Amino acid sequence: IAGITQAPTSQILAAGRRMTLRCTQDMRHNAMYWYRQDLGLGLRLIHYSNTAGTTGKGEVPDGYSVSRANTDDFPLTLASAVPSQTSVYFCASRSRDRDGGELFFGEGSRLTVL
Amino acid sequence: QQQVKQSPQSLIVQKGGISIINCAYENTAFDYFPWYQQFPGKGPALLIAIRPDVSEKKEGRFTISFNKSAKQFSLHIMDSQPGDSATYFCAARRMGTYKYIFGTGTRLKVLA
Repeated sequence: IAGITQAPTSQILAAGRRMTLRCTQDMRHNAMYWYRQDLGLGLRLIHYSNTAGTTGKGEVPDGYSVSRANTDDFPLTLASAVPSQTSVYFCASRSRDRDGGELFFGEGSRLTVL
Repeated sequence: QQQVKQSPQSLIVQKGGISIINCAYENTAFDYFPWYQQFPGKGPALLIAIRPDVSEKKEGRFTISFNKSAKQFSLHIMDSQPGDSATYFCAARRMGTYKYIFGTGTRLKVLA
């Protein structure tokens, strides 16, 4: 059972470059999310998608864009990376079978912007 | 602003002891309060969760205590084990949505 697959696992990127973090799920969950994790700041929501074809902004959306062409894929794009986007990025999907909806996370993509 | 405040930032407990992590929220429009556990190099995973109409929920060694009037909730880990060493996040879900606000995390180390 793969669950959530993220790629790349880690990447070093020059400032100003474009980068797409990939996320694929095999659980057929409708809702998907992108979070960034920074020490002392916890997990902060970047963008989310409640279902294929729709997206929404989270707490820290600036500098990021997402698309949701189908149920399984939810890529996150940094159009022009800046050093403040150095972080660990987690993709997640939400199940429908629990009362509050359980989030399933990938193993993260560590991005360093120089 | 941090809508879910978590403390302490780090915690060291002896094996067999009780670990207690606290969270407080400011917005009353939250209706679901999960705790997530994260091991190094892994993504967070759901540990236990509670709704605000319940004051306590227990699953094995893990208990959530919820105080609605004080807008506080806490995670208690009884008989803490070295395998419990991880980072713990509390979270709150905005009512009517599936958007979760996370706390800043607590790094727990249980000494053998």
